[in-house]
Formats: sequence, C-alpha cells, structure tokens
Amino acid sequence: DVVMTQSPLSLPVTLGQPASISCRSSQSLVHSDGNTYLNWFQQRPGQSPRRLIYKVSNRDSGVSDRFSGSGSGTDFTLKISRVEAEDVGVYYCMQGTQWPPFTFGPGTKVDIK
Amino acid sequence: QVQLVQSGGGVVQPGGSLKLSCAASGFTFSSHGMHWVRQAPGKGLEWVAFIWYDGSSQYYADSVKGRFTISRDNDKNTVYLQMNSLRVEDTAIYHCAKDNLYYGGNHFAGDYWGQGTLVTVSS
Repeated sequence: DVVMTQSPLSLPVTLGQPASISCRSSQSLVHSDGNTYLNWFQQRPGQSPRRLIYKVSNRDSGVSDRFSGSGSGTDFTLKISRVEAEDVGVYYCMQGTQWPPFTFGPGTKVDIK
Repeated sequence: QVQLVQSGGGVVQPGGSLKLSCAASGFTFSSHGMHWVRQAPGKGLEWVAFIWYDGSSQYYADSVKGRFTISRDNDKNTVYLQMNSLRVEDTAIYHCAKDNLYYGGNHFAGDYWGQGTLVTVSS
C-alpha cells in the first residue's frame, strides 16, 4: 500500500501570513498514463471534505487563488499565500495512482494563532 | 447542481447490520464511479469501497472486506453500502464521494461528497 505522510500535523498561522503543508508518498505517484493522481482536500469544522487541488496543481473551480499545489514523484506541497479565517480546518492529501487502497495522509490541522 | 444526499445511518449493536444510501442528482450518475469514505470520531479519512460506473467491479479496504458490500442502482441514481458483522471500530461518519469519468474514471476524483451519515456501533 502507498503510505501518505504529511507535515506538520498542526499548523498555527497568523492571519495574512503564508502557510505550507508537505505531503510525501512511500512510492512514486506517477501513473503509467503519465498523470500524477494527487489531490488535496479541505475539511472545515463540521463539514464534509471539499477538493481544492487535483492532479498535483490544478485548482478546482471556485477555489481561491490563494491556494496552490506543486510537486512531483513522491513530494508534494500545498501552499496558502495569505491565510484567512475561513481557511481554518484540516487539510488532507490523497493518492489515486496505486490502488486499492486509495490512501489519505493523516491530515494537517490549520488554525489561527 | 450536483447533489449527493445520504441516508441510513444510526446506532447498531456489534455484529449487527446497516445499509447506507447515497442518492445522486445533477449529473449522469451511470457514467461515474462512486466511493465510500469514513471518518472515525476525531480521526482522519479512510477509504472504504469503490464501485465502477456500471457496477461491474467493486473494491474494498482490507478492514471491511468480506463484511461490507457496495452496490448501485443506476435507474435510481443511488449507491449503497451494506454493512454486516459490524464492529465497534466501524463507528464513524460515512461519506459517499463521486469519481469522475474525465479524471480517468477510477482514480478517486472526489469532486463531490455527500453530507455524511453517522454510524455508531455500540452495545
């Protein structure tokens, strides 16, 4: 199974400051079709998860351009350029390249200092 | 707009059974695979099961294999999760999530999620 790790697991941030979350996979997430199926999800308190980024760096419709994804192979990063209060929640990376099982990272809890 | 509306959660004793439903609207249901994902209280997300767009194949996490069955009725635009031999450790919020034909069809697009339904296994 592909193991997903994230760091940090807790990220207190100051409003207006940038934030960065690292995600690493135990195996390359490059699929034989050439795509890298690495998604980022945001889960606000009391809500269902919401996809922010798909295939490493593609932002979903309606997602603020403050969010960006990057990386390749086994190392990936989610960046928030300027944290706002509405960004509080838990962020998960997830791989859909080598399955079953589909695997999620443990989550990074973002809150405001 | 796309909607996934879940039903069927509740409290059940260990060893019991429960069936969850996820009714879809706003997209061509029969063209897209569907997943179930769960979240134990205070914990992270765990993928549970996946069914292809036409129901021809199903896949399960090892933790539920042999006990849970995912199925779908494309005439009713609904995906189901039949849960048997439930254990205390199955207690979680269960979410259905949509895959996407245009995301390769079977790579967990997760572009839409249901509202979640709580399953509590307790004596």
